[in-house]
Amino acid sequence: DTAVSQTPKYLVTQMGNDKSIKCEQNLGHDTMYWYKQDSKKFLKIMFSYNNKELIINETVPNRFSPKSPDKAHLNLHINSLELGDSAVYFCASSQELGSTDGYTFGSGTRLTVV
Amino acid sequence: AQSVTQPDIHITVSEGASLELRCNYSYGATPYLFWYVQSPGQGLQLLLKYFSGDTLVQGIKGFEAEFKRSQSSFNLRKPSVHWSDAAEYFCAVGAREYGNKLVFGAGTILRVKS
Repeated sequence: DTAVSQTPKYLVTQMGNDKSIKCEQNLGHDTMYWYKQDSKKFLKIMFSYNNKELIINETVPNRFSPKSPDKAHLNLHINSLELGDSAVYFCASSQELGSTDGYTFGSGTRLTVV
Repeated sequence: AQSVTQPDIHITVSEGASLELRCNYSYGATPYLFWYVQSPGQGLQLLLKYFSGDTLVQGIKGFEAEFKRSQSSFNLRKPSVHWSDAAEYFCAVGAREYGNKLVFGAGTILRVKS
């Protein structure tokens, strides 16, 4: 039973399109995150939600909009996709914000914008 | 600003040899630290963590890491590397004083020669 699951695993789309990535965790964690891993494998936090409330919002274009309908789900919607949005997007969760137990990551969504 | 440095982009070791991956951080606070491993096309798996207490921590797959406050380091070690250890390794650091954002190093790619 997957702890943090993301869908889809692969996403190929054209510039200008709007797309969503979904994330669900069944660990009972309070906090969820979106990270972006670029082509050089550098991981950078984008957003963090704690119990459906936005806690961390890094300098991310406002074309990216996270939505957390409940604490087990954190979706990422991207408008007007650009070539530079191509990356692997990872969802993660932790027991609480700043948990010293670490994060549990999903397997990633590879987004390719053509 | 807080930062995490992994000085080695690539490391190649022979199977059975010992391994040390370096991680240095720059934080003006008491950090908590993690090592994650990422196999190709996979998500990140937590290897080990340090929050407080004994500065030598044991993790999964025979890995250990030592926290050295005086050197601002948290190096990962393994006495005898197996071919299946070939992957990319990420050091990550967080601190409550910095909003609990987990900041990742750029990663070290480990290659294992048979």
